[in-house]
Formats: sequence, C-alpha cells, structure tokens
Amino acid sequence: DGGITQSPKYLFRKEGQNVTLSCEQNLNHDAMYWYRQDPGQGLRLIYYSQIVNDFQKGDIAEGYSVSREKKESFPLTVTSAQKNPTAFYLCASSIGPGEETQYFGPGTRLLVL
Amino acid sequence: AQSVTQLDSQVPVFEEAPVELRCNYSSSVSVYLFWYVQYPNQGLQLLLKYLSGSTLVESINGFEAEFNKSQTSFHLRKPSVHISDTAEYFCAVRYNFNKFYFGSGTKLNVKP
Repeated sequence: DGGITQSPKYLFRKEGQNVTLSCEQNLNHDAMYWYRQDPGQGLRLIYYSQIVNDFQKGDIAEGYSVSREKKESFPLTVTSAQKNPTAFYLCASSIGPGEETQYFGPGTRLLVL
Repeated sequence: AQSVTQLDSQVPVFEEAPVELRCNYSSSVSVYLFWYVQYPNQGLQLLLKYLSGSTLVESINGFEAEFNKSQTSFHLRKPSVHISDTAEYFCAVRYNFNKFYFGSGTKLNVKP
C-alpha cells in the first residue's frame, strides 16, 4: 500500500535539543516537501527537494535543516536555533518537479517541554 | 507577494444545508488551484483540483469548485452537507515551479 509515513506522531523537545522528524514515501516520487502548520496560519513551506542530494529553502527555513540522501526519505531536523518549534509538521511529496499535486503524510506534532 | 485568502475562519452549518467556502488568490497569471481537507490530527487529503479545461470541478463526495479568473476566486460548494464533512478545508494555489501557497484554512462545523 503506497503512501507517506511520518514518525513519530508526537515528539517532545527539551530546551537546546535538536530533534529529527522522519518522512518516508514509497510512491517513487522525486519531489518532497516539509511544511509547518500553526493554528490560523495555514501551511508554510520550510524546505523542499526536487531530487536526491538536492534541496532548497522555503519561506521559513531558519532553525531547520534537511537531507535527501535517498529518494524515499527526507528527514527534517529542528535545531536549537528554532526558538518557537511547537507546531504540527507535515511532509508531502509529488511525482516530480512541476507536478501539480502534492500528497501529504499524517503529520508530527512537536511540543517543547 | 502572492497570497491566498480564505475569508471565513469558521463556518457553522446545519446538516443537509448548502455551504460555500470562499477562496481568493492574489494574481491572475496562470495558476493551478486546489482544495484540501484535513481531519483532526491528520495530514491533508486532496479534495479536488483545477488545472485547465472546464472551470467547474467536482469531487467524489459531492463537493464542487468553480474557477473564476476575472474574480480570482475558487470557491468550494456543496448543496447538502453531512456530519462527516466536519473538517478544516484549505485552498492552495501553485503559481511557480513547485511553489505552493496555502490559505489559512476554514473550519466547517456541521451540526445535527
């Protein structure tokens, strides 16, 4: 059954700690994306990757980092530099650059202790 | 800067009543338009999309949206809602290569 998986569903971060959110897809999609969702603000793009070993900053990349070593995986690290990390994080993928439809994972909720 | 506006943050409606969720976008250049639905603590699911051709597009569960280029709108409608339609709905626009813009969302609350 093809799809996008994100883990964990809930994640807790201590002050000064880096945490990594997992995103895996078995749809054979080239492009992958990370969004942050805050109440009343919709989705904001953090990073996106059009192909393996390549990624670009989105609108709110500060305090985040990504890697794209494999086609099916696009992990997001929330660093200690991100001062307000509490949010719902959504990963998405599309067939390729220019493909108009994005498919979303179930999300990870990050909370700060 | 490009933007997507969903004017109504919340829309309460009784079951079997009609509903319209409004979406306007900022540019009249060629765009692709989408509506996504999100149930609590879940990701977004594609509801319907406009790419080209007929300006009226439909989903499998009775929703429809009409692309109006002159008014830069893509309002979502359903003639008779069900309790199960209670969710948050997001309008999205793709202007540039791989760049999507999302509205702030509209929470549809269907009451019995």
